[in-house]
Amino acid sequence: AQTVTQSQPEMSVQEAETVTLSCTYDTSENNYYLFWYKQPPSRQMILVIRQEAYKQQNATENRFSVNFQKAAKSFSLKISDSQLGDTAMYFCAFTDSGAGSYQLTFGKGTKLSVIP
Amino acid sequence: SQTIHQWPATLVQPVGSPLSLECTVEGTSNPNLYWYRQAAGRGLQLLFYSVGIGQISSEVPQNLSASRPQDRQFILSSKKLLLSDSGFYLCAWTTGGTGELFFGEGSRLTVL
Repeated sequence: AQTVTQSQPEMSVQEAETVTLSCTYDTSENNYYLFWYKQPPSRQMILVIRQEAYKQQNATENRFSVNFQKAAKSFSLKISDSQLGDTAMYFCAFTDSGAGSYQLTFGKGTKLSVIP
Repeated sequence: SQTIHQWPATLVQPVGSPLSLECTVEGTSNPNLYWYRQAAGRGLQLLFYSVGIGQISSEVPQNLSASRPQDRQFILSSKKLLLSDSGFYLCAWTTGGTGELFFGEGSRLTVL
């Protein structure tokens, strides 16, 4: 069974600074997808960034980027130039692309607070 | 464009009462549909998923059930709620492809 571990329950960062959220996962599959989701206080889950395991290049979306280390099964999220609107719960998630059911396995989340 | 709606947004129910949460997706056909529950400090737990009308897979044994009476409608039900059923319930959909799920706004259930 796949597992996703986020070892940082809470983190804080000063506005305009950079912060990195950690995520590790365990799987025996070779083809899969990894995601970071954001859940602001409004509670709706929003996709931040996606990484396909077969791609060696790290995904980037504006101020958000990942450091994907497939051999180490590590998938960290870097937020640059942090903004107050980045305050939220962040969840790392995994899905086996070959399963067909596309079930996501989530970590327990990291609560990020951006301090003005 | 595709949209997903969940209702009710907030629900307070006594122990032993029934439950019905509804989820509807628009703008797509034959989606996979999911019910997740989020409890404090425990991330998201997959409860049920469906790959087609009438097809329901349960991930966690419990007193909840799910049904998919139409292609884009997913319902979470219970005949008798327990205190432990309190939580935030999220409906989600995907059509595969890039594997990402799209989530509804969520339903906050409090069982007293």
